[in-house]
Amino acid sequence: NAGVTQTPKFQVLKTGQSMTLQCAQDMNHEYMSWYRQDPGMGLRLIHYSVGAGITDQGEVPNGYNVSRSTTEDFPLRLLSAAPSQTSVYFCASSYAGWDKNNSPLHFGNGTRLTVT
Amino acid sequence: AQSVSQHNHHVILSEAASLELGCNYSYGGTVNLFWYVQYPGQHLQLLLKYFSGDPLVKGIKGFEAEFIKSKFSFNLRKPSVQWSDTAEYFCAVNVPGTYKYIFGTGTRLKVLA
Repeated sequence: NAGVTQTPKFQVLKTGQSMTLQCAQDMNHEYMSWYRQDPGMGLRLIHYSVGAGITDQGEVPNGYNVSRSTTEDFPLRLLSAAPSQTSVYFCASSYAGWDKNNSPLHFGNGTRLTVT
Repeated sequence: AQSVSQHNHHVILSEAASLELGCNYSYGGTVNLFWYVQYPGQHLQLLLKYFSGDPLVKGIKGFEAEFIKSKFSFNLRKPSVQWSDTAEYFCAVNVPGTYKYIFGTGTRLKVLA
């Protein structure tokens, strides 16, 4: 049982490049989400999904796209990287719905992204 | 909109000192409350959670938190900290049914050996 797996761990991009951050979970969680962590700002929600084919925006969605074609995977796409997107990105998942014991979030190990 | 405030941004303690980290949230209805810990270079891990029932919640590694509804607070406590408690601590709130978790800005705790 690997939990939440994120790849890559580190990435350096040039302004304007695109890339996809991968996230996979093997706990059959319906809910998956992406956060970015910046000093002094805590974690801010980028996008989330409550099931395959369903996604929605969080607090800071601009510049990012997501899709959810399977329960297990929730990739985050940066279409045209900007220096303001330099951050640590965390994927997190949980059971959705309040008949599932009010499950807390399980986090991946993070991706440290630098955009120059 | 819901928000979470953690007033202590940096805390430095000596080993064996007592710890209390403040967390206040703004939302008038039912909430689920969490404390997460992030050790240096690692991902966030759940320390403890409150959904309902006894407002004093015990978590891992000797941590506990008390939910005071009238004060919209969920402060984290530990009677005697250890060097290994050096980490960043995040309070988080979830409104049932919204699927969104709102995190505070975090408190960096440094414990001196």
